[in-house]
Formats: sequence, structure tokens, C-alpha cells
Amino acid sequence: DGGITQSPKYLFRKEGQNVTLSCEQNLNHDAMYWYRQDPGQGLRLIYYSQIVNDFQKGDIAEGYSVSREKKESFPLTVTSAQKNPTAFYLCASSIPSGVSDYGYTFGSGTRLTVV
Amino acid sequence: GESVGLHLPTLSVQEGDNSIINCAYSNSASDYFIWYKQESGKGPQFIIDIRSNMDKRQGQRVTVLLNKTVKHLSLQIAATQPGDSAVYFCAAADTGRRALTFGSGTRLQVQP
Repeated sequence: DGGITQSPKYLFRKEGQNVTLSCEQNLNHDAMYWYRQDPGQGLRLIYYSQIVNDFQKGDIAEGYSVSREKKESFPLTVTSAQKNPTAFYLCASSIPSGVSDYGYTFGSGTRLTVV
Repeated sequence: GESVGLHLPTLSVQEGDNSIINCAYSNSASDYFIWYKQESGKGPQFIIDIRSNMDKRQGQRVTVLLNKTVKHLSLQIAATQPGDSAVYFCAAADTGRRALTFGSGTRLQVQP
């Protein structure tokens, strides 16, 4: 079955550490996105990529980095510069053209906790 | 930039009643809108979408209404069921930035 897979489901990070969240899709989607979700809040855009080897900053990119070396993969690194990284991270993908230009398929999320 | 907000953080309805969840957006350039449903600990699931050249779109038990004049959209759920209990998000996109901006969500609680 086609889908989008995030791993791990739960991740614990020590202060000062970088951690990388994985996102893989086999939907042949060109576009991929990372959102952060805090309790009682909506999803905030961290980074997005419309095509391989290209990505753009979203609204809250500081303290995060991404790469898009393959169409299927869009890993997110939470660096030590991110002061409040504890959150639920959601990856999504979409076909950037067509009737449903922006309809996303979401992964099941990674819950990151700083310990 | 775009901001998308919701009028109520929590909505409680009786099973079988109709539910209406409202959303306001700020960017008049927004041309595409989506409603998502998110259950606890899971990623959001697509419910229904609507383009700015439409006022209304219906799906199975759901209807989305768009009022561009006041920058408002709503999600109507007919005959609400316990399985509809979740957080509902609206999201908007404009032609300039090819990414969705999400609202803060409304938690729908269905009482038996």
C-alpha cells in the first residue's frame, strides 16, 4: 500500500543534542512538508520542498534543517539551536499540481520530548 | 501572511445532531481550503476541500461552505456520530506559497 511513514513514533532528546526525524513516502509525490504541532495549537510549517534538491523555509524554520536528496525522503533535523523542541512533528506529501493542488497525505507523526 | 483561526476551541454536540465548525482566514489571496480531522496521536486526515470559485461543496455527511466576502468557511457534519469525535482543522492555501496554513483546531465532542 502507498503511504507516508514517519519514524520513530517517539523520540527523546537530551539538551544540546541534534536529532533527525525520518519521513519516507512511496506515493510518488513531488512535494513534502514538515509541520510542528503544540498542544492546543494548529500545525505550523517548518520547511517544505516542491522538488528534489530544493526546499524552502516555512514560518518557524529556526533551529531546524532538512535535506531532499531523494524524492521519497525528507528528513528533518532538530538542532540544539531549537530552544523548545518538545512537540508533535508531522510530515506530509502532496502532488503539487492538479485539482487537489494542496491536499496532503500525512504521516502518523513523531512525538519528540527533550529530557 | 496568512493566518487561519477558529471561532471555538471545543464544540460539544449530542449524537445525531448536526455539527457546525467555523473558521476564519485573513488572506484574501487564499484560493483553496481544506478541512482535516485529527484523532489523538495520529496525523490529520482529509475530509473535504473547496476552491475559491465555489461557495459550497458536499461530501458524505459533510458540507463545506465558503463566504469569500467575510473570509469565512464552515464545516457542517450531518447526524454526528461518536466516531466523529476528534479535532478538526481548517487550512488555507494561496497561489503564492504552495503550502497550507492551518488553523488552531476545534475539538468536537459527541455526547451519546
